[in-house]
Order: sequence, then C-alpha cells, then structure tokens
Amino acid sequence: QQQVKQSPQSLIVQKGGISIINCAYENTAFDYFPWYQQFPGKGPALLIAIRPDVSEKKEGRFTISFNKSAKQFSLHIMDSQPGDSATYFCAASISGTASKLTFGTGTRLQVTL
Amino acid sequence: DTAVSQTPKYLVTQMGNDKSIKCEQNLGHDTMYWYKQDSKKFLKIMFSYNNKELIINETVPNRFSPKSPDKAHLNLHINSLELGDSAVYFCASSHHRTVDYGYTFGSGTRLTVV
Repeated sequence: QQQVKQSPQSLIVQKGGISIINCAYENTAFDYFPWYQQFPGKGPALLIAIRPDVSEKKEGRFTISFNKSAKQFSLHIMDSQPGDSATYFCAASISGTASKLTFGTGTRLQVTL
Repeated sequence: DTAVSQTPKYLVTQMGNDKSIKCEQNLGHDTMYWYKQDSKKFLKIMFSYNNKELIINETVPNRFSPKSPDKAHLNLHINSLELGDSAVYFCASSHHRTVDYGYTFGSGTRLTVV
C-alpha cells in the first residue's frame, strides 16, 4: 500500500522555468512533510520541510505548498537551474512515534539549457 | 569529516554468500536507520535503532540482521544472499526519536547479487 503518492515520475523543464512536483497522502495522522533531493551516486539530502499548521514555506527558490483538506502538498522550484537536475522525493511521518519516514516514489527532474 | 559513512560503497557477491555493510556517523545523533532503495528508486525503511535499542523492524526477512555496538555505529549483516537483495542500501541518522530534525543519509552501498 503506497501511503504517499508522487507525480510526475519524470519532469523536463527549461532553465529559468518553474518545476512543480506533487504528492498526496492518505494517512491523516501524518504531520511532518519533508522533501529530499538525491543526486546520482549520493544519498538523499533534506531540502525543505513543512508542518500542516502552515500552508506554505519558502526557502530560496524552493517552496512547499500544503493543502491539508485535500491531503496534498507540492514542491515548486522557481528559476530552475541545470544544477537542480536530480531525483526529488516527498515524504511524510507522524511526530512522537518511533522515527519512520514514508517516502513517495520519486520524481526525476531534468533542467535543460 | 564525512557525516554518515558507509563501507563498502560497492559489493558484488554470489548467491548464497553472507555479507556485511558497516555504517558510522559522527554527528552525535542518537538514532540510526537502514533504508533499501530498489531499482525503481523506491526508498523503504528496514530498521531503526535508538541508542543501541531496536525501535523499528519492518517486514524484513530474517536473513537481514542489524547490529548496533554503540549509538554511532549500525551494521547490517545479510545471510544467504538472494538475487532480489540487489539494491542500494542507505544508512541514515537523526537526532531524537522523531524526524523533525531531518535525516542525514550516507552515500549508499550498491549491492549486486549474481
């Protein structure tokens, strides 16, 4: 059972464009939603995270939008750069329990010149 | 000065062999994890230890046995390796039992069973 669904599977964006990756979750007990970035041959690295008490969080060119009623959250990458080309994972967890991040299936982003 | 280091980076072995992967973190974190990333890049938790105590054990075959000699080390031993065990195994660490502070992942061990 896939508790966190991520789309699209792959995405090609031109340099300077906006990359948008969407995730939907089923478990309403989830209350922490991070995004991870993974480059080839490397481990995932925390990019940005949000809790459901806010609808948006921005860090530089990266923004998370959160819609609690729809059980959806998304990552927006503004002014996408070739260096942003990587695989992006959304994830979700429940605070206060033994740590367990449930990951989405990943989105391979390619930013072209 | 690597935060979470795994060895070896690559491991090629025959079916039926036994192998180990080692992980060490120098971040002072108290919780460590093993995640498996399959060929489709799906990441799934296998085990989690907090201060040497096993706190998460997902539905992983008994052939996989984690060991944490101290809170800075978490090793993974795999017996009787099967073709389906081929994957990238990531060690990770975090502070406290919750994930609020984010995970720090190692660079992974690519295991190929032939």
